[in-house]
Amino acid sequence: ETGVTQSPTHLIKTRGQQVTLRCSSQSGHNTVSWYQQALGQGPQFIFQYYREEENGRGNFPPRFSGLQFPNYSSELNVNALELDDSALYLCASSLTGLTQYFGPGTRLTVL
Amino acid sequence: SQELEQSPQSLIVQEGKNLTINCTSSKTLYGLYWYKQKYGEGLIFLMMLQKGGEEKSHEKITAKLDEKKQQSSLHITASQPSHAGIYLCGADIKGGSEKLVFGKGTKLTVNP
Repeated sequence: ETGVTQSPTHLIKTRGQQVTLRCSSQSGHNTVSWYQQALGQGPQFIFQYYREEENGRGNFPPRFSGLQFPNYSSELNVNALELDDSALYLCASSLTGLTQYFGPGTRLTVL
Repeated sequence: SQELEQSPQSLIVQEGKNLTINCTSSKTLYGLYWYKQKYGEGLIFLMMLQKGGEEKSHEKITAKLDEKKQQSSLHITASQPSHAGIYLCGADIKGGSEKLVFGKGTKLTVNP
């Protein structure tokens, strides 16, 4: 158990809808990173938040956005869902520059 | 092209056998992480390597980072069914970057 929690566990949406995924970081960690993992692939970096500011972004369109709150928990928002957004979404928490510890993930299915 | 290549893609071994998984990068590895993932679940941190030539062990799992810091190997001794899962290598390839790039993973099956 890493102490990183994510909600919901599973989610089914239809194309065009919007979704919000949540992540609570491990106690003492100030950095949250989000990754998308498609079936049979390794995780792909979406973005990272450090002290409520975006601190790096991968090759994902602007319809992927995020927030980090003062307690270091975080949200990932995806607008205008597409079929290819179906994936396991993982968040990882860390102290800046140190090992990232992952949550159990949220399985998103877009129909 | 994939920044990190893992081999083999899948591995089936008999319980008690040793095995090795490789992770190769075309760029210098500033930090190399090994994670284990059960199907559809989160990643479990195993080990982190940073210095060329570094070797770390935990229980029956040993990871090494080669001197040129472009390849790592994960070796499991006397495999058990509990070792089954997907092994992923993740790396900082820019130096000081918070972003990790991952290989596609190696699926390990251990038959009793």
